[in-house]
Parts: sequence; C-alpha cells; structure tokens
Amino acid sequence: KAGVTQTPRYLIKTRGQQVTLSCSPISGHRSVSWYQQTPGQGLQFLFEYFSETQRNKGNFPGRFSGRQFSNSRSEMNVSTLELGDSALYLCASSLPTGEFPTKGSYNEQFFGPGTRLTVL
Amino acid sequence: GENVEQHPSTLSVQEGDSAVIKCTYSDSASNYFPWYKQELGKRPQLIIDIRSNVGEKKDQRIAVTLNKTAKHFSLHITETQPEDSAVYFCAASLFTGGGNKLTFGTGTQLKVEL
Repeated sequence: KAGVTQTPRYLIKTRGQQVTLSCSPISGHRSVSWYQQTPGQGLQFLFEYFSETQRNKGNFPGRFSGRQFSNSRSEMNVSTLELGDSALYLCASSLPTGEFPTKGSYNEQFFGPGTRLTVL
Repeated sequence: GENVEQHPSTLSVQEGDSAVIKCTYSDSASNYFPWYKQELGKRPQLIIDIRSNVGEKKDQRIAVTLNKTAKHFSLHITETQPEDSAVYFCAASLFTGGGNKLTFGTGTQLKVEL
C-alpha cells in the first residue's frame, strides 16, 4: 500500500510569513504525528493528532499549530516565520490499536519523506 | 519532561567490525525505546525497539539492550556492512495506549569503511 506522503516537498518563505504543510497518512491510519528535524536539535516532537483531536503536544510555541481532517489527513501551520524555523518537517502515521507500536506490528509508526522549509 | 542523550555523535568502523551506540534517558517512567535509521536524504525507519519489561532484543545483526536501573539503552550492530552507514537515532517514550510522544537523541552518524 502507498506510504505516507507530504506536500510540498520543498518550500522557501521569508520571515514573518506563514506556511501550511500537509501530510497524508497510510490508508487506514488514524494517528498523525509531526516532528521538526534540524542539524543541531535532531528530531523534536511537535504534536500528535488522532481522530481529529490533538492528543499529545511538544514544547513548541503557539506559532506552531495543526489540525486533522475526517479522512485523517493532517496539516500543520507555522505563523510569523522565523529564521530558526528552517528545518525538515516530518510527519508519521500509525493505526493505532492501543498496543505498543512495535516494529512489524499493526501499530508500527511510519514516517513520510518530509517537507524541507527554508526561511530567508 | 523526558531528555535523551546519545553518544557518540559520529562513529567510524571498518567493515565487519561491531558498532555500539549508547543512549541515556531521564524519565524512569519511560517504557518504550525505539531505534531509527535515517539514510542520507531519506525518511527515518524503525529498525528495532524494546519495551521496558525486556532486557535485550535481537534481530539478525542488530540488538538492543536496556538497563532500567541505570536508565540507559544501547544499539549493537555486528558484522557491519557499507549499507549500515547512516544516522541512527534512539528515542524514548512513555507509551500509555493513548499516543506515542517520542523524545529523540541527537543522532549518531555511523560510517562503515571498506
């Protein structure tokens, strides 16, 4: 089956602008998590959505927001962009069934290819 | 919140040698510890994971060990091959069945030299 997809793959914005990134999970998956990846900070958890509700949240400012639609597709929005927001934004999807997301299980979480955001 | 430290940041080994990457975590309640491999320009992929009620898990050439008392876990790769070259991330989370908020280490760049 098709994997997690993210659009756009590359984006260039200027400071002060806002941006919306999209993530389409694997068919049947209901949970979507978002991560920010930067060379200095590694992978940092932004938030997780499940059944259109934010279930977990990381330590990012309110400029970072997200939502999930009834078809499980998710968007994240960053307002008032700063230079430090330049990063690879990854989303990951999973079923889940309430059991551990063990490799090879139905709950395994799969990452998308990411959106590379550059803020000038 | 949880904090995960990962060492070393870079690791170079000869093909056929073993590689070990170590991580420590701060939250004793964490119960799930996955390891991800990210090749250059590609998405992270889950390669192995371990739950807090298990001390060791092995999958072919890779293994993970967990020491709950010391709050550290390690990835072991034996008989390394050039295709093992990648960035490896450890992570920790408190999985409660209601979501999976992963805290990642900063990554280890593994280079397997011929």
